[in-house]
Amino acid sequence: GAVVSQHPSRVICKSGTSVKIECRSLDFQATTMFWYRQFPKQSLMLMATSNEGSKATYEQGVEKDKFLINHASLTLSTLTVTSAHPEDSSFYICSASRQGKGYEQYFGPGTRLTVT
Amino acid sequence: LAKTTQPISMDSYEGQEVNITCSHNNIATNDYITWYQQFPSQGPRFIIQGYKTKVTNEVASLFIPADRKSSTLSLPRVSLSDTAVYYCLVGFTGTASKLTFGTGTRLQVTL
Repeated sequence: GAVVSQHPSRVICKSGTSVKIECRSLDFQATTMFWYRQFPKQSLMLMATSNEGSKATYEQGVEKDKFLINHASLTLSTLTVTSAHPEDSSFYICSASRQGKGYEQYFGPGTRLTVT
Repeated sequence: LAKTTQPISMDSYEGQEVNITCSHNNIATNDYITWYQQFPSQGPRFIIQGYKTKVTNEVASLFIPADRKSSTLSLPRVSLSDTAVYYCLVGFTGTASKLTFGTGTRLQVTL
């Protein structure tokens, strides 16, 4: 149990376009989801915390107008990278906390974004 | 959130037991200790979680001394497929707390 999926797994887009990444909790309801970014050979960096039905909370240095997060239901959160640039190329990972087990976070498989 | 310190890398031969120690000197009373494993281009995978003493599951053991200022992840008889980055995190399990990942330990297992 506690499976989190992401779609797409890989995406290549042109500079200036927008890309949407979906994160779904498949077999549980997630009141809170988190979005991370990971550059090669580096650790995961938390970008934002997404709570169902409310605005996301962004970490310092993360542009909320560039990385749009929507958590419309208890099983789906989306991250939209707007006006993407090559420096946004990274591995984006989401995680979800199962209700009642706050600290047991379950991670998605990640999405590799390449901006050309 | 309590900061954690781990060795950057470790090497082991296949079949050996590997112990990765993490220090977390400012761990709070409510904090739990959790270890994750990450393979390249994959999301982290939960390995084990504990609060004190010893916890064991089918893949690993977690040893936590009485002062809880450190913890040791023990992987018995590692194989090549255990080559990965291992992250130690501490935090409160009662709410959906955000996780702060440290540098992790890159374990390389060879024949």
